[in-house]
Amino acid sequence: RKEVEQDPGPFNVPEGATVAFNCTYSNSASQSFFWYRQDCRKEPKLLMSVYSSGNEDGRFTAQLNRASQYISLLIRDSKLSDSATYLCVVNNFNKFYFGSGTKLNVKP
Amino acid sequence: GAVVSQHPSRVICKSGTSVKIECRSLDFQATTMFWYRQFPKKSLMLMATSNEGSKATYEQGVEKDKFLINHASLTLSTLTVTSAHPEDSSFYICSARDRQGREKNYGYTFGSGTRLTVV
Repeated sequence: RKEVEQDPGPFNVPEGATVAFNCTYSNSASQSFFWYRQDCRKEPKLLMSVYSSGNEDGRFTAQLNRASQYISLLIRDSKLSDSATYLCVVNNFNKFYFGSGTKLNVKP
Repeated sequence: GAVVSQHPSRVICKSGTSVKIECRSLDFQATTMFWYRQFPKKSLMLMATSNEGSKATYEQGVEKDKFLINHASLTLSTLTVTSAHPEDSSFYICSARDRQGREKNYGYTFGSGTRLTVV
């Protein structure tokens, strides 16, 4: 079983839409969780950390459910510039495990 | 913020040759560096963890004799792909951890990646 599983998408949404991505992880002992963004042929860049209490950064909201081993990312008011692949990342004992990514296409 | 410099960004080599990729932490000391590989439309896969002054720890299925890792100083780790073959063509990315863990992602910073093409 994969450490991290994500719906690969793609999610094709119009500008201004709200879109949600989900992710599940297999190791209940995982310590920390992140969402990364990766543009085509570039390195991944940290979007935000994910906390059990939920956290928000502008148009982005991340949630963690440890009981269900489930992580989510909500993007409100999508912009064209949000088009990218979003990677769910889980840290197990200082090793990062990446999901395969969910591709988002925001269209005008 | 912490910066990791990875070089080269792109390399094309002939089958059978070896290629060295460098990963440097520019403004912090990295006791641990990680090497990842990403095939097209696939996830980043951890290949190995290198610790300064000791042998690297390889993930299952990664050949340590083919992917040589050296982490001789607190600011430099190298990955050498030996006797490269076309199936080794991939995007290789390093990640380094700031000893102080000051960044919000617990101190992990990624290099910009190296796209290796073996012909």
